[in-house]
Amino acid sequence: NAGVTQTPKFRVLKTGQSMTLLCAQDMNHEYMYWYRQDPGMGLRLIHYSVGEGTTAKGEVPDGYNVSRLKKQNFLLGLESAAPSQTSVYFCASSSGGAGEKLFFGSGTQLSVL
Amino acid sequence: EDKVVQSPLSLVVHEGDTVTLNCSYEVTNFRSLLWYKQEKKAPTFLFMLTSSGIEKKSGRLSSILDKKELFSILNITATQTGDSAIYLCAVEATGNQFYFGTGTSLTVIP
Repeated sequence: NAGVTQTPKFRVLKTGQSMTLLCAQDMNHEYMYWYRQDPGMGLRLIHYSVGEGTTAKGEVPDGYNVSRLKKQNFLLGLESAAPSQTSVYFCASSSGGAGEKLFFGSGTQLSVL
Repeated sequence: EDKVVQSPLSLVVHEGDTVTLNCSYEVTNFRSLLWYKQEKKAPTFLFMLTSSGIEKKSGRLSSILDKKELFSILNITATQTGDSAIYLCAVEATGNQFYFGTGTSLTVIP
């Protein structure tokens, strides 16, 4: 009964370093999303995917890249981390049908020094 | 530009009080409105509303949608310390796009 699993849960990077966040879902969902959450800003969409092999930009895509090589996995990459990318990152998935809700992972706390 | 606005941004109440959280939206191609509760970790689903005027209820929590005036309210009666959390409102548009408000931070004091 895993649902949406994110790894890692915490990470500290130095400016300029790169890293990849992994999101895995076992619900056979078509749609997957990456959000960042900052104080007073709510959840903002970074990138999303409507199916295996597809990706699209959200509201705040700059500085991030994503890949969806397998239906169950959605990777978020930071090629050259900046302090402005310090945030909590949430992955979510949805079946894509009408009236279907988002299921969230437990989040990744990322600090860029 | 699609947007979801929640008010108030934060709220402090005493146990036993009743609170009303507000969510207004301007989203084209509206499909549904969702409420989530977030306690330090992942948001957890509370309600989904698609039709105007039909109240959804779960224990002490209830919510209603007004599609004409483009808003929803979340009511919590007889608040408990366990209700302390951030409450997020999200609107789903066609194409499975979800737009979130900034959230309302609720603190319930014993």
